[in-house]
This record gives sequence, structure tokens and C-alpha cells, in this order.
Amino acid sequence: GEDVEQSLFLSVREGDSSVINCTYTDSSSTYLYWYKQEPGAGLQLLTYIFSNMDMKQDQRLTVLLNKKDKHLSLRIADTQTGDSAIYFCAENLSGYSTLTFGKGTMLLVSP
Amino acid sequence: DSGVTQTPKHLITATGQRVTLRCSPRSGDLSVYWYQQSLDQGLQFLIQYYNGEERAKGNILERFSAQQFPDLHSELNLSSLELGDSALYFCASSAGTGSYGYTFGSGTRLTVV
Repeated sequence: GEDVEQSLFLSVREGDSSVINCTYTDSSSTYLYWYKQEPGAGLQLLTYIFSNMDMKQDQRLTVLLNKKDKHLSLRIADTQTGDSAIYFCAENLSGYSTLTFGKGTMLLVSP
Repeated sequence: DSGVTQTPKHLITATGQRVTLRCSPRSGDLSVYWYQQSLDQGLQFLIQYYNGEERAKGNILERFSAQQFPDLHSELNLSSLELGDSALYFCASSAGTGSYGYTFGSGTRLTVV
């Protein structure tokens, strides 16, 4: 089945690292994504990772994938107030092209 | 600007009415996806079109329909509107299968009163 789970809320201080976690249930997922949604805006693709990778780094963002536990995480280094937003994890099942999203994690960064 | 254009940005209408939401995909993208975002349900996939043909269907109500035109823009039609249809409706596009992710528009906020 398709189900993507995320914790609902995370609060950090500016300059700290943030880690947003996601679990998915379908082992046939071949691509996994992180999107960011700022208030009043659409979803912005941050990064994606193929299922044959364990890690992907892109500037302040690090994605870790644990296929055995079906666990995906997004680490934001040196978190800034501008990083405050809702972060969505999504999966793309093998053979399909529709993304299934989690309910999102609201990240609040305080000065 | 993501390149995906949605109109209108806001829509307020009464129960029982019918509305049409419009989406122009990013230049070169053949696939269009419609999602509904509400507080309780999160992001729900409604329907996908690829180059004018329906490709996949999700949790789309029978009162809702969509199409993609030869110029690749898409319209989502919502009829017999109910209070529970109030939500943000997003359109997204991708070049092909969407493996590298979708590009989202900024959404249409529908309020049914």
C-alpha cells in the first residue's frame, strides 16, 4: 500500500541543524522527494534521491535513505529563519508517475 | 515564478455551483497533475494527463472532471460544490514520467460558502 508518514512539527533555533523524518511503506518506491511549501505558495522541489542511493548532499541539505527501515530524512545545516516552512516527503512508485505525499512537517525556526 | 500558471488565485462561490480552474504547464512539459490540499486530508492526487490523454486517476470525485487541451493547458471542473470542497487546488507539470519531480503552480484557493 501507499502511505507516507511524517511528524507534524519541528522547532529549532537559528544556526542549529534540523532533521525532518519520513517513513514510507511501499518498498517498490524508486524515487523519493523533499518539497518545501512557504505560506501562500506552491510546493517547491528541494531535492530527490533514487532508491539505489543511501545519501545525497546539496549545499546545506543532506538526504539520508535507509531502505531496510523505509526511512528517509532531510537534514538542513545552519538553519535560517527563511527555512521556516512546511516540508513534504513524497514517493514515486516504480512503474507509476504519480507522487504520494506525506502530510508535511511544519518547521519553525526561531532567532 | 515556477513556470506553471494557475488561474484564478482565489475563488469564492456558493454551494451547488460549478467552477473551472485553469492551469498552464511549464513550457515543454507534457504531463499535468491536479492535487487537492486540505488541512485534514493533506495533499491528495486527483488526476493526471499526459499529452491530452488521461494517464492516472486518484481520489477524484464523480462531481469533478478534468481535461487537457491540444495546447497542453488543463482545466479542472468542479460541480455541485459542497462546503467540504473548500481547499487549495494545485496543478503541477513534468516533462515526462515525473521521475525527477514535478513543478507546482501557486494554487487556486477555493472557498465554498
